[in-house]
Amino acid sequence: QSVLTQPPSVSGAPGLRVTISCTGSGSNIGAGFDVHWYQHLPGTAPKLLIYGSNNRPSGVPDRFSGSKSGMSASLAIIGLQAEDEADYYCQSYDSSLTAVVFGGGTKLTVL
Amino acid sequence: EVELVESGGGLVQPGGYLRLSCAASGFSFSNYWMSWVRQPPGKGLEWLGNIKEDGSATNSVDSVKGRFTISRDNVKKSLNLQMNSLRGEDTAVYYCAREIPGQHVALDYWGQGTLVTVSS
Repeated sequence: QSVLTQPPSVSGAPGLRVTISCTGSGSNIGAGFDVHWYQHLPGTAPKLLIYGSNNRPSGVPDRFSGSKSGMSASLAIIGLQAEDEADYYCQSYDSSLTAVVFGGGTKLTVL
Repeated sequence: EVELVESGGGLVQPGGYLRLSCAASGFSFSNYWMSWVRQPPGKGLEWLGNIKEDGSATNSVDSVKGRFTISRDNVKKSLNLQMNSLRGEDTAVYYCAREIPGQHVALDYWGQGTLVTVSS
């Protein structure tokens, strides 16, 4: 069971918007630690999408955005494209575990 | 171009050992913290630990403490993961990754991974 909770799956039609939530606790997101988001296609290297809760590395389309509030964070994807179909993971730091933690992952299906 | 290439994976018996390496190129390796992350079959990502730029400090998760050791050779631009007392639950794809300075373990470049299978 992951310290950060994500929905197992989300789906959306091309062109529409989806959000993926990441719920933590007072020892990680709620303590103010940054949240990072990754996109992972099976058999490939994970790709950093968002760091520091709402910053995009160069090359990541502005269709992807992140936000954080209280003990939760969210990844929003607008203008869904078929190529967005992948697994998405949130990541933060947990002060109780003194370790970096990942969410369980969310599989995005583009209908 | 930044490139990370893992090697050393394979089939090992329970209780055995394996040493993974990650060859870095395209950036000043000695200026970055580096991490190891794994993904068991059908499961999510698990951070294993990291090592400071000069190798003077490491962090690791409880599940591998005392069994796995992270080290680096900044001359050879190589990151290493020594894995001892391997168990079935250590079966996974193992990734090395570079950390963005000052961003508290945001991993901006990853290798393609190397598969470790622990089975008799």
